[in-house]
Amino acid sequence: DVVMTQSPLSLPVTLGQPASISCRSSQSLLYSDGDTYLAWFHQRPGQSPRRLIYKVSNRDSGVPDRFSGSGSGTDFTLKISKVEAEDVGIYYCMQGTHWPQMFGQGTKVEIK
Amino acid sequence: QITLKESGPSLVKPTQTLTLTCTVSGLSLTSTDVNVGWVRQIRQPPGKALEWLAISYWDDDKRYSPSLKNRLSITKDTSKNQVVLTMSNMDPVDTGTYYCVYQGLIDDIWGQGILVTVSS
Repeated sequence: DVVMTQSPLSLPVTLGQPASISCRSSQSLLYSDGDTYLAWFHQRPGQSPRRLIYKVSNRDSGVPDRFSGSGSGTDFTLKISKVEAEDVGIYYCMQGTHWPQMFGQGTKVEIK
Repeated sequence: QITLKESGPSLVKPTQTLTLTCTVSGLSLTSTDVNVGWVRQIRQPPGKALEWLAISYWDDDKRYSPSLKNRLSITKDTSKNQVVLTMSNMDPVDTGTYYCVYQGLIDDIWGQGILVTVSS
């Protein structure tokens, strides 16, 4: 299985300040079709995970543009340009290139 | 609007077989690029881990988690637009929330999840 490693696991942030989460995979996520299947999800307490970003840098419909994804190969980053109160929760990266699809451990974002 | 709804028992006994049903609305399981699978979220200190269990692809291909393959079965009932997951020999460590997930070419939609507790 491809191992997904996120850091940090806990991220206290100040409202209005930027935040960044790193995700590393144990194998390259570049697929034979030329795409890289790395996604980011956000989960609030009591809710299902919601995808924010797919194929490294594509925002899902309705996702604010303060969220951005970048990276390639085995190293990826999710950035929030200015954290808002509704951004608290747990963020997961997930690779969809290799089966089984695998999630990172999750990063808990909370307001300082 | 595409929705997925999980149904099944909230409590099962150890060694029993769990059967979960995902009812899909707003799209047909017979359509191209409609892939539906199951993800569970279980306690794994310090948090809750997400784990793919199985997926049924639009072309009838199926994949299973290698570590759970011997316990899992996923089937598609196109007449009811449902995807059914069975998991045998349930254990208390299998306690968690089970989600049905639709993965399309671009779409990614989750059901609300169903909490399953394994206890005698």
